[in-house]
Formats: sequence, C-alpha cells, structure tokens
Amino acid sequence: EAQVTQNPRYLITVTGKKLTVTCSQNMNHEYMSWYRQDPGLGLRQIYYSMNVEVTDKGDVPEGYKVSRKEKRNFPLILESPSPNQTSLYFCASSLLPLDEKLFFGSGTQLSVL
Amino acid sequence: AQSVTQLGSHVSVSEGALVLLRCNYSSSVPPYLFWYVQYPNQGLQLLLKYTSAATLVKGINGFEAEFKKSETSFHLTKPSAHMSDAAEYFCAVSDTGNQFYFGTGTSLTVIP
Repeated sequence: EAQVTQNPRYLITVTGKKLTVTCSQNMNHEYMSWYRQDPGLGLRQIYYSMNVEVTDKGDVPEGYKVSRKEKRNFPLILESPSPNQTSLYFCASSLLPLDEKLFFGSGTQLSVL
Repeated sequence: AQSVTQLGSHVSVSEGALVLLRCNYSSSVPPYLFWYVQYPNQGLQLLLKYTSAATLVKGINGFEAEFKKSETSFHLTKPSAHMSDAAEYFCAVSDTGNQFYFGTGTSLTVIP
C-alpha cells in the first residue's frame, strides 16, 4: 500500500532534549516536506527536499533540521526543543511538487514541556 | 511570500444544501492553487488543484472550485452537502512548486 509513515504518533518530551521524528515513503517520490499545524494558523512549511541531499527552508525553519540521505526517508530533527514547538507535525511527499498530489502522513503530535 | 485567506473558520450547512468555502490569495504571478480536506486524526487529502488549465476545476466527492484572477479567489463549492463532508478544509497556494502556503482552514459542519 502506498503510504507516508511517520513515527511516533504521539511524543511528550522536555525542553532541550533532542528528538527525531521519522518520515518514510514507499512510493519512490522525489519531493518530501515537513509542516506544522497550529490552531488558527493552519499548516506552515518547515523544510522541503527536492531529492537526495537537496533540502531547503520553508516558511518556519528556525529550531529544526532535516536530512535526506536516502530517497525514502526525511527525518525531522529538533536538537533543542522548546515549548513553542509543541504542535502537530505532518510529513508529505509527491513524485513532483505540482504535477502530482501531496501524500500526507497521519501526523505526529508533539508536546514539549 | 504568498498568503492565503480563508474567510470563515467555521461554516455550518444543512444536509443537501450548497457548500461554499471561500479562499483568497495574494500572488504576483499566476499561482497554483489547491484545496485539501482533513478528516479527524488524519493527514490532508487533495480535493482538487488548479494549474492554469480550465478555470473551473472539478475534484473528488462532487467538489469543484473556480479560479477568478480578477478577484484573486478560488472558492470551493459543492451543490449538495452530505454528512460525510464534515471535515476541515484547507486552501493552499504555490508559485514555485517547492513552497506551499496554506490558509488557516475552515471547519465544515453538516446539520442533518
């Protein structure tokens, strides 16, 4: 089944403790991206990647890192999480950004205490 | 940067009534426009997209949207609401194909 898999689904952590949210897709998609969803703000793009080893900042990249060492994986890294990074995070992928639709993962609810 | 405005964070309609969800965008170049739907505890799913072909775009589940350049609008409509349409709807815009900008969302409630 074609899908984007995010783990974990829920995560509670404390300020400053490094964490990684994993994202994997099984569709051989070139394009992958991360979003955060906050009430009243909608979805905001954090980082995106056009292909392996090619990443770029989205609208709200501060406090986040990403890597794209393999085509299928695009982990989101929070090196020193802060409470303002408490949010619902979504990973998405597509074969090409505009020619194909974005496939979204089920989301990761992160709480930073 | 692009911006997307969705008027009305909550919309309620009766089952069988017309659904109209509003979206306005700011763009200095012809944009690519999208409507996504989010059901509870799920990721977003594409309803339809405009990519400079026909101005009236038909999507899944009976939804359609019309691109009006003069009004910078891309409103989503469905002639007859169904209970299963209750969800959160997001309008999104992109001009580069790399960065996407989403609106704040409209929660649709369908009253039986």
